[in-house]
Amino acid sequence: DAMVIQNPRYQVTQFGKPVTLSCSQTLNHNVMYWYQQKSSQAPKLLFHYYDKDFNNEADTPDNFQSRRPNTSFCFLDIRSPGLGDAAMYLCATSRDFAYNEQFFGPGTRLTVL
Amino acid sequence: SQQGEEDPQALSIQEGENATMNCSYKTSINNLQWYRQNSGRGLVHLILIRSNEREKHSGRLRVTLDTSKKSSSLLITASRAADTASYFCATDEWGAQKLVFGQGTRLTINP
Repeated sequence: DAMVIQNPRYQVTQFGKPVTLSCSQTLNHNVMYWYQQKSSQAPKLLFHYYDKDFNNEADTPDNFQSRRPNTSFCFLDIRSPGLGDAAMYLCATSRDFAYNEQFFGPGTRLTVL
Repeated sequence: SQQGEEDPQALSIQEGENATMNCSYKTSINNLQWYRQNSGRGLVHLILIRSNEREKHSGRLRVTLDTSKKSSSLLITASRAADTASYFCATDEWGAQKLVFGQGTRLTINP
């Protein structure tokens, strides 16, 4: 089945230790998104790629970076995680921008010690 | 920036009853979407309604959109325990190339 896969499902890191979260898709969609979601809150868009074009949200901290080496994979790098970065990180894809639903992965729960 | 606001924040009903959730937004939209999220999981797309549509149905789901009031509602009929989840509306603003999610309604269906 076509899907969005996130690895790992649970990630524990230490304060200040870089961490990379992975997302892959078999849908061949053009757009890939990364969201941060804290408990009982709405998903907050960090950035997205349309193909290789990167779009950063204005309020996304510099601590968060992303890479999309090919259509299928996208990575979220947190250079120096702080306690406030503990959250669920959701990857999503859509075929295009207009009228398209987004397909979400199961998420990666990040804990910062 | 948050576009949609949902009401109520939490809703608890008995199995078999209908559940209604409301979403209000502030600017012109291309479409409005509803998503479900089970605890600790990703979001699942439920239904999309375009700005020129007023009502849409999908199984036990009924969505309405009133662009003059900038509001939408999601009705789940004959609720089941498996409908227990958080429900989010998301708006697609013209030219924004992204969705902006509301705070969500946490729905609990009691057996």
